[in-house]
Amino acid sequence: SSELTQDPAVSVALGQTVTITCQGDSLRSYYASWYQQKPGQAPLLVIYGKDNRPSGIPDRFSGSSSGSTASLSITGAQAEDEADYYCNSRDSSGKHMVFGGGTKLTVL
Amino acid sequence: QVQLQESGPGLVKPSDTLSLTCTVSGGSMHPSYWTWIRQPPGKGLEWIGYVHSSGNTNYNPSLKSRVTMSVDTSTSQFSLNLRSVTAADTAMYYCARDSDFWSLDHAFDYWGQGTLVTVSS
Repeated sequence: SSELTQDPAVSVALGQTVTITCQGDSLRSYYASWYQQKPGQAPLLVIYGKDNRPSGIPDRFSGSSSGSTASLSITGAQAEDEADYYCNSRDSSGKHMVFGGGTKLTVL
Repeated sequence: QVQLQESGPGLVKPSDTLSLTCTVSGGSMHPSYWTWIRQPPGKGLEWIGYVHSSGNTNYNPSLKSRVTMSVDTSTSQFSLNLRSVTAADTAMYYCARDSDFWSLDHAFDYWGQGTLVTVSS
């Protein structure tokens, strides 16, 4: 089992806001990074650090953190946001990386 | 724009060694943490480990006894060897760049397209 826990599936109506969460004790000390993966494609970095977006990532994607929970929010979800989302951070030792189990986002 | 490309056999026999190479283009290999990540069919991502451009390595504890990574900055390549493979090692293998492993702003910012490795006799 992963040291980072994500809900397996989340759905959102087109144009609405959705939050995907990632829970783990290491998140009290370290930020999470977030990756979007569409079928047949490599993961794509969407959020890292406190709330940083790589160039080319729409500003409807944002990140936050509180206690042992990191969150990825999509404000005004679009059909093209339908994908699997993975969080990543350090493990409990702080020396290695782990991924959450992933959340499948469906845009209705 | 950094680009990564994995290469290696798509089929490996059980108990053999899986060997993959990642070629980096469009940027310097210094200083970065060059990473391998895998994804079994239909499942989630697993961090295998990294090799720093200096040659230092850091492996997933669950795979450490079977993994070796190396880097050759003269050819802009880094490699993964995974020994004694079983069917459980069947996965898409990705190479990626870790912007700065020890930074709070750590991220895997560039990825290869992935290569599927099947372990079967």
